[in-house]
Amino acid sequence: GAVVSQHPSRVICKSGTSVKIECRSLDFQATTMFWYRQFPKQSLMLMATSNEGSKATYEQGVEKDKFLINHASLTLSTLTVTSAHPEDSSFYICSARATGNYGYTFGSGTRLTVV
Amino acid sequence: DAKTTQPPSMDCAEGRAANLPCNHSTISGNEYVYWYRQIHSQGPQYIIHGLKNNETNEMASLIITEDRKSSTLILPHATLRDTAVYYCIVRVASNFGNEKLTFGTGTRLTIIP
Repeated sequence: GAVVSQHPSRVICKSGTSVKIECRSLDFQATTMFWYRQFPKQSLMLMATSNEGSKATYEQGVEKDKFLINHASLTLSTLTVTSAHPEDSSFYICSARATGNYGYTFGSGTRLTVV
Repeated sequence: DAKTTQPPSMDCAEGRAANLPCNHSTISGNEYVYWYRQIHSQGPQYIIHGLKNNETNEMASLIITEDRKSSTLILPHATLRDTAVYYCIVRVASNFGNEKLTFGTGTRLTIIP
């Protein structure tokens, strides 16, 4: 149980375009999901907390207008990287925790390359 | 959240026990110790967690010192597939699922054939 599906796993886009990444909890409901970013050979950095039915909470230094988060249902959160630039190229990972379960489940990640 | 300190890298021979240490000297009474690992280019995987008692599951054992200022993750019979970055995180836990996890730099464990 407690599976988180992330799509796409890999995407290449042109500079200036927008990219949407989906994160789904397949067998549980998640009122809260988390979005992380990981640059090569670095640890995961939390970007924002996605809350179902309300605005996301962004970590300091993360531009909310650039990284749009929508958590419209209890099983789906989306991260849209708007006007992507090469420096946005990174590994994006989402996670969620089923109620009553102490371990967080992570998606398999999305490798974004902006050319 | 209490900060953790882990060695940046370790090697372990295949088939031997891998013992990964973690210091968390500022841990508070309601904080759990979590261990996750990340295999290259994948999302982190939950391994185990504990509060003050030693814990064991099908993946690993977690030994927490009596003063809770440090812990050790034990992989009893390491295989090549255990090569990964291992993260020790301390965090309060509730039933709500809205507590964020903060990752440190972790330990890069390499299993040697």
